[in-house]
Amino acid sequence: EAQVTQNPRYLITVTGKKLTVTCSQNMNHEYMSWYRQDPGLGLRQIYYSMNVEVTDKGDVPEGYKVSRKEKRNFPLILESPSPNQTSLYFCASTSTSGRAVEQFFGPGTRLTVL
Amino acid sequence: GEDVEQSLFLSVREGDSSVINCTYTDSSSTYLYWYKQEPGAGLQLLTYIFSNMDMKQDQRLTVLLNKKDKHLSLRIADTQTGDSAIYFCAEKLGSGAGSYQLTFGKGTKLSVIP
Repeated sequence: EAQVTQNPRYLITVTGKKLTVTCSQNMNHEYMSWYRQDPGLGLRQIYYSMNVEVTDKGDVPEGYKVSRKEKRNFPLILESPSPNQTSLYFCASTSTSGRAVEQFFGPGTRLTVL
Repeated sequence: GEDVEQSLFLSVREGDSSVINCTYTDSSSTYLYWYKQEPGAGLQLLTYIFSNMDMKQDQRLTVLLNKKDKHLSLRIADTQTGDSAIYFCAEKLGSGAGSYQLTFGKGTKLSVIP
């Protein structure tokens, strides 16, 4: 089954404690993204990756890092989380084989930073 | 600039039709999408329309595109309680290699009253 998995699904942490949210896809997609979803603000892209070792900033990259060492995985790293990073995070993997571009989303990670 | 606007809430009675509206600003949009987010889940692609089309129908879903007014709508016929969700409009810009980014609206929360 084609899917995007994220872990953990829920996380409560404290300010300054480094954390990583993992994302994995089994569709051999080259393009992957991270979004955060906040009430009234919709989805905002944090980082994206066009392929292995190729990453770039999205609309709200401050306070986040990513890496893309292999095609299937695209972890999101918060080196020093702060309360304003409390949010719902989605990883997405994008099919680029056709012109339409379909994004497949993970189930989300709800992060609370105290 | 890139901007996608949607109303935030819509409430309908079960069995009625729902119409969710979206406006976008970038005339170079090539594809426009509707995603559905059920409570506690990630976004799922419902349907999409190419910018040279006026209408697309898929079972209970009808997408109308008015390119002159940059207006997109999603009509759900015979709305059911299972249709209660947040619906996101999104646009894809350009058609060249690397143009895989989607710009999302803030989402319309559809509530279906039994």
